[in-house]
Amino acid sequence: AQTVTQSQPEMSVQEAETVTLSCTYDTSENNYYLFWYKQPPSRQMILVIRQEAYKQQNATENRFSVNFQKAAKSFSLKISDSQLGDTAMYFCAFIKNTGNQFYFGTGTSLTVIP
Amino acid sequence: DTAVSQTPKYLVTQMGNDKSIKCEQNLGHDTMYWYKQDSKKFLKIMFSYNNKELIINETVPNRFSPKSPDKAHLNLHINSLELGDSAVYFCASSQGEGLSYGYTFGSGTRLTVV
Repeated sequence: AQTVTQSQPEMSVQEAETVTLSCTYDTSENNYYLFWYKQPPSRQMILVIRQEAYKQQNATENRFSVNFQKAAKSFSLKISDSQLGDTAMYFCAFIKNTGNQFYFGTGTSLTVIP
Repeated sequence: DTAVSQTPKYLVTQMGNDKSIKCEQNLGHDTMYWYKQDSKKFLKIMFSYNNKELIINETVPNRFSPKSPDKAHLNLHINSLELGDSAVYFCASSQGEGLSYGYTFGSGTRLTVV
């Protein structure tokens, strides 16, 4: 079975600073995909970034980047130049290549402080 | 244009009632899902339909019944509502059965059973 662990239930960061959210996962699969989703107070689930396990290069989307360490089964999210609109729950998610459902972590609540 | 729309956004009802939540996607996706997010924000899959055919049916009470009249719609009907059914219910869709590009989520329905 696949499990996804987010060990930081809550985090805060000053506006314009950088913050890193942790995620580890457990799987015996070799081909899979990893995602970070954001859930702001509006409740909408928004895809932030996606990583393919067979790619060594870390994914980047504007201010968001990941540190993907396949051997360590670690997939952290770095948010640079934090903005107030980044305040949200962040969920790490895993799916194996042939899978038909996501496995979500328990989420990290991030607050950006003005 | 809303890609995945759920109605209603909020639903307050008494124990024992029967209620439905509707979901529609205009993305042309083949697969649709229902997720439940509990009070601790944990996301758990309930059902998945691919082109009107049920492909995932996790352990949920029989009181929950999904209905997919066509591949653009997946409704959730709940009989004999209980206090423990209070949660946020998310509809989502994806292209094909593979999820390598992630889900597109609806904005969620907050169900409160009193």
